[in-house]
Amino acid sequence: QVQLQESGPGLVKPSQTLSLTCTVSGGSISSGSYYWSWIRQPAGKGLEWIGRIYTSGSTNYNPSLKSRVTISVDTSKNQFSLKLSSVTAADTAVYYCARENGVTTFVGLDYWGQGTLVTVSS
Amino acid sequence: EIVMTQSPATLSVSPGERATLSCRASQSVSSNLAWYQQKPGQAPRLLIYGASTRATGIPARFSGSGSGTEFTLTISSLQSEDFAVYYCQQYNNWPWYTFGQGTKLEIK
Repeated sequence: QVQLQESGPGLVKPSQTLSLTCTVSGGSISSGSYYWSWIRQPAGKGLEWIGRIYTSGSTNYNPSLKSRVTISVDTSKNQFSLKLSSVTAADTAVYYCARENGVTTFVGLDYWGQGTLVTVSS
Repeated sequence: EIVMTQSPATLSVSPGERATLSCRASQSVSSNLAWYQQKPGQAPRLLIYGASTRATGIPARFSGSGSGTEFTLTISSLQSEDFAVYYCQQYNNWPWYTFGQGTKLEIK
């Protein structure tokens, strides 16, 4: 059974960089069948797709966040990471990592981490 | 950006009855639509992809339909565990995925 677990600071100061890591267990992040994604959800609001990475390191980002987002992968640790720079209070949200099933055909975001709350505040 | 609009915002239905949730896209997304269920304090759960294909382990009482800009998620004979928030997601505008704002399904 694949499991994903987010980790990282729960509090980030404005203008600083938010950094989170997702550790994948029960399966290899190097499998060529999946993308690895980040999604966020402000309290009481809907879901926003941030971006994704393939095992090769190829990335795709939400255009509205692209200038501030970097997603990277560490296959040796079976982890992928999110960095979001120049954060403001508007970046306060629960951040989820998820597996996107299907490389040539989308089969859904089928496994998710439990989510981690990141608050941007001084 | 493709904007996804869900209706109604809140739907009150009695257990055992049928629930019909709607999702509309601002432009055609073909059949590139997924549905997710989210319960309080939990991550979303994939229900449907390809507008009508149930994900692994999803009960048959969940069904999806539609194409283009109009989509429906139907839950027949609601169970207590089905009361949650439901989100649609388009993936036609690849790879910029967008979600609807959600429909809260509550017990009547």
